[in-house]
Amino acid sequence: KAGVTQTPRYLIKTRGQQVTLSCSPISGHRSVSWYQQTPGQGLQFLFEYFSETQRNKGNFPGRFSGRQFSNSRSEMNVSTLELGDSALYLCASSSVGDTEAFFGQGTRLTVV
Amino acid sequence: AQSVTQLDSHVSVSEGTPVLLRCNYSSSYSPSLFWYVQHPNKGLQLLLKYTSAATLVKGINGFEAEFKKSETSFHLTKPSAHMSDAAEYFCVVSDADDYKLSFGAGTTVTVRA
Repeated sequence: KAGVTQTPRYLIKTRGQQVTLSCSPISGHRSVSWYQQTPGQGLQFLFEYFSETQRNKGNFPGRFSGRQFSNSRSEMNVSTLELGDSALYLCASSSVGDTEAFFGQGTRLTVV
Repeated sequence: AQSVTQLDSHVSVSEGTPVLLRCNYSSSYSPSLFWYVQHPNKGLQLLLKYTSAATLVKGINGFEAEFKKSETSFHLTKPSAHMSDAAEYFCVVSDADDYKLSFGAGTTVTVRA
């Protein structure tokens, strides 16, 4: 069974640009959540989707958005990038009724 | 609101000696608790989870954790450290119907030969 797949693995963007990250969950998993990891703030929750609906959102500005498709794949978008958005972005998926989350390898975003 | 405090930011042990990573949690409901490990430039791997069954939870690679409700603690232990245990460890709490994980700040484990 394939794990959680995140693409791309690495990205370099310029301030002011926007970026889209992609996450394919484990087959059969319908919940996808996103986390930002930085040395200063640690791991912080961005949002969670289930059956194309956002069920919870973390304390991030509106520049951070996401969506989930009918096949459970998810994307997150960050607009008007700032230097502080440089981070490892992790996606996790879980199955219905299971609290255990499986994480992808992450996308390393660098904003210059 | 749920939160986690990892009491040690860095733990250094000798190979073959016990490892203890301390975690206290705060939760409004009956929480699910987890320990995840992250090796350099890798994603997060689940070591073990507590979901209101047995209070002593056994995980992968010889790790175990004990849930103590009276102390709101969920400490992680391993009887004998191996060089491959060098990594960052995260204690995590999740409340039912919250649909999110709350992470502690992490504990970096160094294993000395």
